[in-house]
Formats: sequence, structure tokens, C-alpha cells
Amino acid sequence: DIQMTQSPSSLSASVGDRVTITCQASHDISGYLNWYQQKPGQAPKLLIYDVSDLVTGVPSRFRGSGSGTAFSITISSLQPEDIATYYCQQYHSLPFTFGPGTKVDIK
Amino acid sequence: QVQLVQSGAEVKKPGASVKVSCKASGYTFTSYDINWVRQATGQGLEWMGWMNPNSGNTGYAQKFQGRVTITRNTSISTAYMELSSLRSEDTAVYYCARDREMDVWGKGTTVTVSS
Repeated sequence: DIQMTQSPSSLSASVGDRVTITCQASHDISGYLNWYQQKPGQAPKLLIYDVSDLVTGVPSRFRGSGSGTAFSITISSLQPEDIATYYCQQYHSLPFTFGPGTKVDIK
Repeated sequence: QVQLVQSGAEVKKPGASVKVSCKASGYTFTSYDINWVRQATGQGLEWMGWMNPNSGNTGYAQKFQGRVTITRNTSISTAYMELSSLRSEDTAVYYCARDREMDVWGKGTTVTVSS
């Protein structure tokens, strides 16, 4: 199975800060990497698919990048509505696996 | 609009089975895979399995092999996830999600396993 790790596990930043979350895969997953945002009490929401493609309606302050085994998501200017837990997920091969999540808070 | 509507909360005793449904609307059900993902309280997301609604082909996470069965009824655009031999550790919210990109999610079904 492909293992996914994320860092940090949590972070606290100020409104307007640039925030980056990294995701590492245990094997090369090419470009089969998605990012999800989950707010408390809600289902996860797809933000970015295929490493860097933004879902329609997702603010342009979100950006995904990476290849192979190393990936990241950056929020260029953190907003209060971005408070959530972020998960990466690979769909290169079964079983699909998620990272453990990164909880983002406002300082 | 495209949506997945899941069945209501369930309370089960240890050893029992639960069957959660996921009804698709707003798109052609057989054109997109369905995944099942669960989340225990305060924990991360755990992928359980997948089904191609057109062919009926399925794939399951090793952890759930032998205990989980994903099926579908194409006439009513509904997928099902059945989990058997329930234990307390299966208490979680169970989600269905569309396609490999998991671009559409159901709201989740809470399954509580308690004696």
C-alpha cells in the first residue's frame, strides 16, 4: 500500500499569512494526488485534483504543486473561512490512501 | 444538481451488520465510480472500498476484506455498503464519494456500535 504523510499535523497562522502544507507519498504516484478541505461537522470537499487543478469555485489563493512523491498545497493569504483540516489523497493505485490531515487555525 | 444522498443514522449491537445506502442524482449513475470512506470521531479519513456501478466490479481495503461488501441497484441509482461483524471500533461516520477524484460527497451516515 502507498503510505501518505503530511506535515505539519497542525498549524496556527494569522489572517493574510502564506501557509504551506506538505504531503509525501511512500512511492511515486505521478500526478494522481488530490487535496480536500474538511470543516467541522461537514463532509470533505475536493479543492485540488491531479496535483494542481483547482476545482471550479475554489479561490485562487489555493495552489497545489509537486510530482512523484512530494507535494504541497499553499494558501497565499489565509482567510478566516480557510479554517479546516486539509487532507491529501493518492489515487495512483488501490487502496486509495489519505494523509493523516493538517489542521489549520487562526492565530 | 449532482448529489449523493445517504441513508440515516444507525445504531447496531456488536456482531451485527449494517447496510448504508447512497442514492445518486443529477448525473448518470453508471458513468462514475463510487468510493466509501469512513471517519471515526476526531480521526482522519479512511478509504474502505470502491465500485464501478456499470460493471459491478469492486475493490476493498485489505483491512476490511471479508467484512465489507459494496453493491448497487442501477435501476434506482443507488450504491450500498454493508459492513458485517461490527465492533465498537467501527463506530464512525461513513461517506460515499463519487469517482477517483471524490468530487461529490454524501453528507455521511453515522453508525454507532454499542451494546
